[in-house]
Amino acid sequence: DAKTTQPTSMDCAEGRAANLPCNHSTISGNEYVYWYRQIHSQGPQYIIHGLKNNETNEMASLIITEDRKSSTLILPHATLRDTAVYYCIVRASHGSARQLTFGSGTQLTVLP
Amino acid sequence: DAGVTQSPTHLIKTRGQHVTLRCSPISGHKSVSWYQQVLGQGPQFIFQYYEKEERGRGNFPDRFSARQFPNYSSELNVNALLLGDSALYLCASSLEVVRGPGEKLFFGSGTQLSVL
Repeated sequence: DAKTTQPTSMDCAEGRAANLPCNHSTISGNEYVYWYRQIHSQGPQYIIHGLKNNETNEMASLIITEDRKSSTLILPHATLRDTAVYYCIVRASHGSARQLTFGSGTQLTVLP
Repeated sequence: DAGVTQSPTHLIKTRGQHVTLRCSPISGHKSVSWYQQVLGQGPQFIFQYYEKEERGRGNFPDRFSARQFPNYSSELNVNALLLGDSALYLCASSLEVVRGPGEKLFFGSGTQLSVL
């Protein structure tokens, strides 16, 4: 699976959009981009995933560049409860193993 | 509906002992995965089980073993504990749709293991 690079930490004002970048320059054609987040003292929580098109769900939007070498997770109206570590993960979806390779993630702090 | 449940929530052991951690997946989920999370790092994959068979194993020594029961619950066993085994152990369940890119992992809150 391709390696990802994320900033160590970011701050965002409550109510504003939080834009979390992820670099995955070695991504291959069959690899998807997944985002999970981990709120303190909890297990990781799935947010969104995509292959090459932009995706949106009730939690967030995922913007993937045309060359697929980077992506941005957007939380449109951040709240204090969005303070968490956000993990960008790239993996191929073949076979049956559901192994995720987590990096160190981005600590997002939403400020009041 | 109950999410993934893990027990115990906290555990203290001494070096050389063994430990058994337990996980109950979400009802209907047949796949269980185990992850180790050391403080300050992201989770690391240990095992995946599906229909009682091991489907994947991460880079962990043979001291780590696991099994899955007919009701899809799972146990993680660690023998000859080392100080470095101190970590949060996470269990995740999924439906295990083969070749399904959108499959989500649902994680429990973990068992915090401290080895003294």
